[in-house]
Amino acid sequence: DTAVSQTPKYLVTQMGNDKSIKCEQNLGHDTMYWYKQDSKKFLKIMFSYNNKELIINETVPNRFSPKSPDKAHLNLHINSLELGDSAVYFCASSLRQLGINTGELFFGEGSRLTVL
Amino acid sequence: DQQVKQNSPSLSVQEGRISILNCDYTNSMFDYFLWYKKYPAEGPTFLISISSIKDKNEDGRFTVFLNKSAKHLSLHIVPSQPGDSAVYFCAASGTSGTYKYIFGTGTRLKVLA
Repeated sequence: DTAVSQTPKYLVTQMGNDKSIKCEQNLGHDTMYWYKQDSKKFLKIMFSYNNKELIINETVPNRFSPKSPDKAHLNLHINSLELGDSAVYFCASSLRQLGINTGELFFGEGSRLTVL
Repeated sequence: DQQVKQNSPSLSVQEGRISILNCDYTNSMFDYFLWYKKYPAEGPTFLISISSIKDKNEDGRFTVFLNKSAKHLSLHIVPSQPGDSAVYFCAASGTSGTYKYIFGTGTRLKVLA
């Protein structure tokens, strides 16, 4: 019974394609995140949604578009994929009641995207 | 502009000895700090956290120390076990506002049997 689950776990695609990664959490958290771990293993935040509202939007190309249909889901859609998009993408969730971070992030297992 | 830094990319320790992993931060707005452990092909898993109102937090073999004046925290693992071999990330956040969790670059710990 996985707390934060991402699909697919592996994704290999050609440059120029559009792809999506899905994330779901069953922890009852109100905030979800997308992090990117690049080749240097650095975990960088990309987006965060709190109660379906975008609260963090880092300097990410607008080819990346997150979508949160409800509090338990945060999907990441990437248009016109480029070689540099190859990375591991981690979804995470946390509880932020009343605008205060009250606990740790729970991460999914990651989705390894390879763009050829 | 890296606000959370782990200056040691790797560390090797003998089984049974103490492992000390270090982390420095630059933003004085951070008031909540966490350590994560990551095995290959898995997501980071939470290990231990500390609020800025404390200077030490202990959980079994893991202790985190916070030195606010130096903007430095450390994770002590004692005794170290081979299963502790992983990449350890420290992270920092502010507990209010829309503050994000900022991660360091990680330290790869290898515990030698």
